[in-house]
Amino acid sequence: KAGVTQTPRYLIKTRGQQVTLSCSPISGHRSVSWYQQTPGQGLQFLFEYFSETQRNKGNFPGRFSGRQFSNSRSEMNVSTLELGDSALYLCASSLPPVYEQYFGPGTRLTVT
Amino acid sequence: GQQVMQIPQYQHVQEGEDFTTYCNSSTTLSNIQWYKQRPGGHPVFLIQLVKSGEVKKQKRLTFQFGEAKKNSSLHITATQTTDVGTYFCARLENYGQNFVFGPGTRLSVLP
Repeated sequence: KAGVTQTPRYLIKTRGQQVTLSCSPISGHRSVSWYQQTPGQGLQFLFEYFSETQRNKGNFPGRFSGRQFSNSRSEMNVSTLELGDSALYLCASSLPPVYEQYFGPGTRLTVT
Repeated sequence: GQQVMQIPQYQHVQEGEDFTTYCNSSTTLSNIQWYKQRPGGHPVFLIQLVKSGEVKKQKRLTFQFGEAKKNSSLHITATQTTDVGTYFCARLENYGQNFVFGPGTRLSVLP
């Protein structure tokens, strides 16, 4: 099976802009989670989707949002970008009951 | 959710030496997962522990889950340069709805 794919791999944006990141999970995986990884804060959970429903959300401002489509592909959106949003954004898909996280390569977002 | 702590934050070892990282929680864990992230890469699942006192081995890696299910450890015997990376433990919350990752232990192996 193909692994988790994320697009784009690298992105440079300016403060105030918005960005949309895309994730295609492993075929058959209905759970998709998003994480933000920074040197200072480590791996922080953003949100998890299962069958198009957001089941849980991490402690991030409302500028961070996401959605999942019927084919399980997911997008996350960050509006009004801030310098502190510069990070590696990782998407992971999984299956119950173990929910072993299969991570994609990530999108490196730089906000200038 | 409750945080999981990991120690040490960094570890430098000579190739061939052993290495251990510890994961601790103030509350009882239903399970614990371990991941490895190579430099420039993404986290890769290593193992899940569920039972109290469970011990699992993968070649030179030994994983343990504490009797009280509040701590876990990963031990690498005779490290190799391929073991370089950051090792994370993670607790699963809300029946798979979110993971809480520890801060990780970064391992450097000197040849």
